[in-house]
Formats: sequence, structure tokens, C-alpha cells
Amino acid sequence: TQLLEQSPQFLSIQEGENLTVYCNSSSVFSSLQWYRQEPGEGPVLLVTVVTGGEVKKLKRLTFQFGDARKDSSLHITAAQPGDTGLYLCAGLGGGSYIPTFGRGTSLIVHP
Amino acid sequence: GAGVSQTPSNKVTEKGKYVELRCDPISGHTALYWYRQSLGQGPEFLIYFQGTGAADDSGLPNDRFFAVRPEGSVSTLKIQRTERGDSAVYLCASSESGWSTDTQYFGPGTRLTVL
Repeated sequence: TQLLEQSPQFLSIQEGENLTVYCNSSSVFSSLQWYRQEPGEGPVLLVTVVTGGEVKKLKRLTFQFGDARKDSSLHITAAQPGDTGLYLCAGLGGGSYIPTFGRGTSLIVHP
Repeated sequence: GAGVSQTPSNKVTEKGKYVELRCDPISGHTALYWYRQSLGQGPEFLIYFQGTGAADDSGLPNDRFFAVRPEGSVSTLKIQRTERGDSAVYLCASSESGWSTDTQYFGPGTRLTVL
């Protein structure tokens, strides 16, 4: 079983602060996805990274895939209350069509 | 267009009862997935359908769990003799073809509570 560890588990910050959440594994993944899940809703895909060292930006969100394709980070600049939610990383390996999810980082951004 | 829908949104049942959870995928999506998400956890894979057939049921925890997709669209997850440990949010997702590069679109889930 490929395990994904996410840290921190919880994060409570003020609007305007920057933050980084991490997703780490001992396994190599062919691609890694980040999702955001709001209460009462299913996860929504934010980005997929596939190349070691790849950096993708989505407005104030920056995603990075580690060189060895075992870890990833999500950096949010100037967080807003609308960023509140559960951020999940999910890895796909060896041609598998089934993502393995981490436990998530629960982010609360206070106005 | 409509997204993935799931019914009921909440289900409360007693230990030992039988329950059915329904998923309506996005029209035209051939791949359908069921996941279970317990409190404080990420989604855990249960079963994957490609069309009408279960392509991978390796995530089903035991033989009390069964799922069908008879016409390749709507799917039903069936749980027999429910136990308190079955309490969780059951998520359904669909994707266009099932390739690993496809985006999975999730429904809002059914929150199952077993008393």
C-alpha cells in the first residue's frame, strides 16, 4: 500500500497570511493530484502534477512536485476566507487509475 | 450540465439493517468509482466500474458490501447487515473513460450513520 502523509493536519490562520502544506511518501508516484473539499461536498480536483520538479500555479496557489516524485507541496499566498476547506493530495502510481488519498490538511482562514 | 448526484444525502439506520446508496454519474461517463470517507480521513477506494462491469473491487472491505451498475449509468452500493463501523460518508465519482489521466468528478456523498 502506498501511503501519503500530509502535514500539518490542521491549520488556522488570518486572512492575508501565506501557508504551505506538505504531502510526503516513501513511494514514487507517476502523478500527484491536489483536491479541495468543502463541508458536505465531494473533493474537487485543483491540479495534477506529473513531472519531477514540476511547478504549477493556479492564481494564488502554487503546487510543486518533488524531483524524486515522492512528495509535493501546496503554497497559498495571501490566503482568503474562501480558501477554507480540506486539502487532499492523492497519488497515482504505475498506471493505476485509482488515486491513493492522504488524510488531508484542514485549513481555516479567518477574516 | 448536471454533475454527479447521490441519494439519499443522509441515511440513518440500525445495526443489522440493509441499505442501498445510489449514484447518478455525469451523462456519458463510462467510469464510475465508489469511495468511503471516515471522519478525519481521506477517501478510501471501494470499487471501480468500467461500463456495466466491476473492473476492480479490491477495496470492498468484506462480502457485506456489493455494488451494481446494470445499465452502465446509475450505480447502487448495497450494504448488508450494517455495523457501526460502516458509518462514514460514501462518495461516488465518475470520469469520462477511466484512464488515469481523466479527471474524476465527485458527488456530494451520502452520510451513513449506523446506530
